[in-house]
Formats: sequence, structure tokens, C-alpha cells
Amino acid sequence: QVQLVESGGGVVQPGRSLRLSCAASGFTFSRHGMHWVRQAPDKGLEWVTVISFDGSNKFYADSVNGRFTISRDNSKNTLHLQMNSLRPEDTGVYYCARWSGDILTGSFDLWGQGTLVTVSS
Amino acid sequence: DIQMTQSPSAMSASVGDRVTITCRASQGIGNYLAWFQQRPGKVPKHLIYAASSLQSGVPSRFSGSGSGTEFTLTISSLQPEDFATYYCLQQNTYPWTFGQGTKVEIK
Repeated sequence: QVQLVESGGGVVQPGRSLRLSCAASGFTFSRHGMHWVRQAPDKGLEWVTVISFDGSNKFYADSVNGRFTISRDNSKNTLHLQMNSLRPEDTGVYYCARWSGDILTGSFDLWGQGTLVTVSS
Repeated sequence: DIQMTQSPSAMSASVGDRVTITCRASQGIGNYLAWFQQRPGKVPKHLIYAASSLQSGVPSRFSGSGSGTEFTLTISSLQPEDFATYYCLQQNTYPWTFGQGTKVEIK
């Protein structure tokens, strides 16, 4: 079935690292740009990063630039988010989301269930 | 980065009310603006793209308008399932940025 399943969340101390994964199934993963969006507890949505369908282009929010790295393995239908130098303000639910179509007329048409990251000593 | 400011941050309304939410961009973004709905405990749902085009399957009581720096989301007659938080998202320039959200609560 068509789905995205995140994994890798957990509790981590400030300054440490964590790697999130998003396993895609039921569709042609290599045809879609993929995003990470996060949401701090009882807060709003924050766009984090995007990777193009072939991995050649990546963009990041200022809040994570230089600390987080997005990557993908199209042979394994998997998206990753390497998070280094974690801070308490990185705490939240991390969603991977599929983008379909071009930037103007496309949509986030598939979301994972989210994985919770808690940065605390 | 482009900052997106929504107003109000929260509002109370009754079933059948007309509701308008505003989103302002810190610089012009053309019509590269989307609207999302998020119900408690659920993932966001993409309602509108290109500022005013309805996603497939979204009820016609939802509409969007605007261009440049000022945008609105209107719900013409609020239904019980519309009580949720609404977010705008600018897609004109990376990094993309969401507004802070507008929570629509039951009066």
C-alpha cells in the first residue's frame, strides 16, 4: 500500500546526533521530491528540508542549516535525515512528506505518521 | 528568509459562520502560497495551492485569494469538521516557511 513510515526518533542529549529514516512503499519513490516537516509539542508546523527526486538539490531551513543533512537512497526507497549538534529546540514530531507535481501546482499528498525526537539532558 | 504572519492566531466561531484567515508575506511571493488544515492528532491536509486553487476533494466552502504579500483563506459556512488549525505556506523561495497557524475553535 502507498505509505511513508518514519523511524529513528527517540530521546537524545543536547549536542548528540540522531538519524531519522522514512521508508516509502507502494509508489515510485524516485519520481518525487521529498520533504521533512517538524512540529514542536503544541506548536505550529516548521518546514525543515527538501531533496529533489534524484538527490541533486537540497535546501534547508536556517534553523537547521549546517547541522542537518537530508539524503535519499532510491534503490532502497528510503529517505534519511542526519541530525547533528541537536538542541532542545529541535524537539518535536518529524514528518516526512511526498511532494507531487511542480512547485506551484503540486501538493504534499502523502505524509508519514511522524517520529518523535526529544532533545533533553 | 520570507516571514509569513497569520492573523488571527486563534478565533472562536459557530457552525454556519463565515470565517476569514489572513496571511501576510514579508516580501512578494506572487501566488506561491498554499493553505493547510490540521486537525488534532492528524497530519496536515493540503487544501489550496497557487493561492486560490482548490485541491481535489476539498469542499467548495473553502476558497483562497490574494497575491503578492496578502492572502486570505475563507470558509463560507463553517462545518463541525472544520474546527482545526490552519497554516499558510510560502513556496516562492527556499527555505519554504509556514505561518504560525490559526486555531479555529467552537464558540
